[in-house]
This record gives sequence, structure tokens and C-alpha cells, in this order.
Amino acid sequence: AQSVSQHNHHVILSEAASLELGCNYSYGGTVNLFWYVQYPGQHLQLLLKYFSGDPLVKGIKGFEAEFIKSKFSFNLRKPSVQWSDTAEYFCAVNARQAGTALIFGKGTTLSVSS
Amino acid sequence: SAVISQKPSRDICQRGTSLTIQCQVDSQVTMMFWYRQQPGQSLTLIATANQGSEATYESGFVIDKFPISRPNLTFSTLTVSNLSPEDSSIYLCSATGGAVNTEAFFGQGTRLTVV
Repeated sequence: AQSVSQHNHHVILSEAASLELGCNYSYGGTVNLFWYVQYPGQHLQLLLKYFSGDPLVKGIKGFEAEFIKSKFSFNLRKPSVQWSDTAEYFCAVNARQAGTALIFGKGTTLSVSS
Repeated sequence: SAVISQKPSRDICQRGTSLTIQCQVDSQVTMMFWYRQQPGQSLTLIATANQGSEATYESGFVIDKFPISRPNLTFSTLTVSNLSPEDSSIYLCSATGGAVNTEAFFGQGTRLTVV
């Protein structure tokens, strides 16, 4: 069965600090990988996605993630966070087969102080 | 992309009653799913809504408690039956196309409070 582990439950940063959120997955086959963000009081939004090709993917708002197949990891990064990045971040994976559901990690709460 | 509308956006229900949540997608999609997000928790998959047949439930979720319908490619309902305070959660509808490399889209969620 698939599973997703997010290492950091709550991360607290000051503005302009760099961010890296860890995500590891467990699955025996080929996967698609995603990061979603949920701002306070809002619904889920897709930050970025990886299907195939270049393992370094860039998303919205300056976020990027790197897929390292050998480590089953898909860590999210941002060089300089802003107060507006305060949100819940979810890593998700699904099997690269037609129509499979996403499996989510437990989420990481990011709090950025100005 | 697909736009998903969920109704109601929130509700407060008495224990022992039921709530039916509607999910409408603006385009034909292959797969529809229902998730639960309990307070402070991540999203847990409840079931896959299959068009014209019974939903496929994940471990820990049963049809009697969470009956699901999907009469066509763009519409699904989730009913949460015999409500208890433990059912207080956000329920989300998700949809995706049939390709192997397609993203999932989410509704805005239904916030259910059981009193």
C-alpha cells in the first residue's frame, strides 16, 4: 500500500529564511508526486507536480521540489519565505495509472513571522 | 482543468441525522473521490465514486455510514449517516481525468459540525 511521510509537523521561520519540507513516499511502482497548499480558511491549491522528466520541478509562488528516486523523496523548497506563505503544506502521491486516488501525508504547518 | 462545486459549504447537524453533500464538476471527468479532513489532520480517502455502480470504499469506511451515488460523469453525492460528534470534519470532493499523468482537482469542501 502507498504511504506518504512528512517529517516536519510544524515549522516556524522568519521572513526571508529558506524553507525545505521533507516528504518520503512508499510505493513499489511508478508514481506521480504533488505538493498542495492550504491557506487558512481556504481550500486546497496545487503548488507543483511531478509526472516524469526533469526531477526538479518549479511551481507557483517561487516554490520548487526535487524528486530523488533513489531516496523515494520529493522535498519542497523555497529560497526566501514570506509571511504570506503561512499555511498547511501537504505532500501527495498516486500511482501512475489512470484514475488512481491521491494519498496524502499528514501535512506540515508553516508559520512565518514578519 | 476542472472546477468543482460542493454544496453545502458548511452545516450544523443534530446527532442521529444525516447530511448529503453534493459535488458538481463543470466537465466530464473519469474519476471522482471523496475525502475527509478531520480537525488538524490530513486528508483521508473515504471512497472512489464509480459511475453507475457501487462506490469502492477504503478500509475503515462502510457503505451504510457513507453511502455514495454517482449517476453520471459530472455529479456525485456523499451522505454521512447517523451523525455523531466524531463525524465533525471537512468533507472534500475530488475529480481527475483518465490519463496517467493528470492532476486532481478539489472542491472547496463542506465543513460539518455535529452537535
